[in-house]
Amino acid sequence: AQSVTQLDSQVPVFEEAPVELRCNYSSSVSVYLFWYVQYPNQGLQLLLKYLSGSTLVKGINGFEAEFNKSQTSFHLRKPSVHISDTAEYFCAVSESSGTYKYIFGTGTRLKVLA
Amino acid sequence: KAGVTQTPRYLIKTRGQQVTLSCSPISGHRSVSWYQQTPGQGLQFLFEYFSETQRNKGNFPGRFSGRQFSNSRSEMNVSTLELGDSALYLCASSSTGIAGELFFGEGSRLTVL
Repeated sequence: AQSVTQLDSQVPVFEEAPVELRCNYSSSVSVYLFWYVQYPNQGLQLLLKYLSGSTLVKGINGFEAEFNKSQTSFHLRKPSVHISDTAEYFCAVSESSGTYKYIFGTGTRLKVLA
Repeated sequence: KAGVTQTPRYLIKTRGQQVTLSCSPISGHRSVSWYQQTPGQGLQFLFEYFSETQRNKGNFPGRFSGRQFSNSRSEMNVSTLELGDSALYLCASSSTGIAGELFFGEGSRLTVL
């Protein structure tokens, strides 16, 4: 069975500072990895995904993530955050063999302070 | 291109009642999946449909059911509602359901009193 752990439930950071949101997963098979963002009163939208190839993935809004197979991690980073990045971020995995099911972490609430 | 549409957006029910939620996917998307979102629990997978067939389901009791119609629209039903069913129910569509981007609706917020 797969699982996703987002250890930080809340991350406060000052505007223009860098941020890293941590995600660790557990799976006995190959997986695809995703980061989604949810703004207040909205559904989730995809930030970036890792399917194969380069372990450094770049997404929208200046975010990037690095897949580390040995540490089973997929941490999300942004070098300089803006107030508008305040939102909840979810890490998710899906088996690459295709079970049509995504397992989401419990989310990290990023609060950008002025 | 219209996004994923969920109706109703908000609803209040009492224990023991049943509820039906509707989801219209993005045009051309044949995969529809449902998730329950609660504070502290994140998103829990309910089930996924593709071309009217349920391909996978999560660990929810049989009170939770769903279906998909030939036009890819989907409904989920919860019978005999319990207080713990209060949640945001999110629907997501994708073209294949594998590795593809999930496009989420804004959700249906269910409150059970």
